[in-house]
Amino acid sequence: SYELTQPPSVSVSPGQTARITCSGDALPKQYAYWYQQKPGQAPLLVISKDSKRPSGIPERFSGSSSGTTVTLTITGVQSEDEADYYCQSADSSGTYPVVFGGGTKLTVL
Amino acid sequence: DVQLVQSGAEVRQPGESLKISCKGSAYRFTTYWIGWVRQMPGKGLEWMGIIYPSDSDTRYSPSFQGQVTISADKSISTAYLQWSSLKASDTAMYYCARHATGTTGGLDSWGEGTLVTVSS
Repeated sequence: SYELTQPPSVSVSPGQTARITCSGDALPKQYAYWYQQKPGQAPLLVISKDSKRPSGIPERFSGSSSGTTVTLTITGVQSEDEADYYCQSADSSGTYPVVFGGGTKLTVL
Repeated sequence: DVQLVQSGAEVRQPGESLKISCKGSAYRFTTYWIGWVRQMPGKGLEWMGIIYPSDSDTRYSPSFQGQVTISADKSISTAYLQWSSLKASDTAMYYCARHATGTTGGLDSWGEGTLVTVSS
């Protein structure tokens, strides 16, 4: 099976920059998507197609891609950004059109 | 606004069957893939499968193939996820979500989730 690898946790102080990575062999060929999930809520798409911000998502959220790693960056982290973040992509063969990373818990200190 | 409204929480015993639903509104239901995602208590997101309501083309994750059935009724803009014989390990929150583009696109709209509890 195809896997996307994320760090289990990232901690930052308010106002700092948080970077969450996601690694996968097919990422050079497939777009990545990022979701924010707060406790008791459904996931919310925050980055589409590696780096596009959907309508309504604050500008402090950005995405980038380099080789087999994609990165979600939150600039000027706010307490409300504390959440679980998941990357999502697909494998290169089409067997797995949707694959999620294991998730990263962002803690705002 | 696009909305996906899921059916309410369910409690079942092991071995029972169950069908949960996801009704789309404010968009053309037949032209977007709908996916189902499992989240077990305290765990991450797992893709289960997707369906194209226009022709009911369905793809399953190998992990869920044969364990669940995904279907849709385009006449009422509703997708379904069903089990024929539940196990305690099926206890989880189940989300439906709309694919923005194709089968590999991002999931741009999510239902609120249906909590399924399987316990004797």
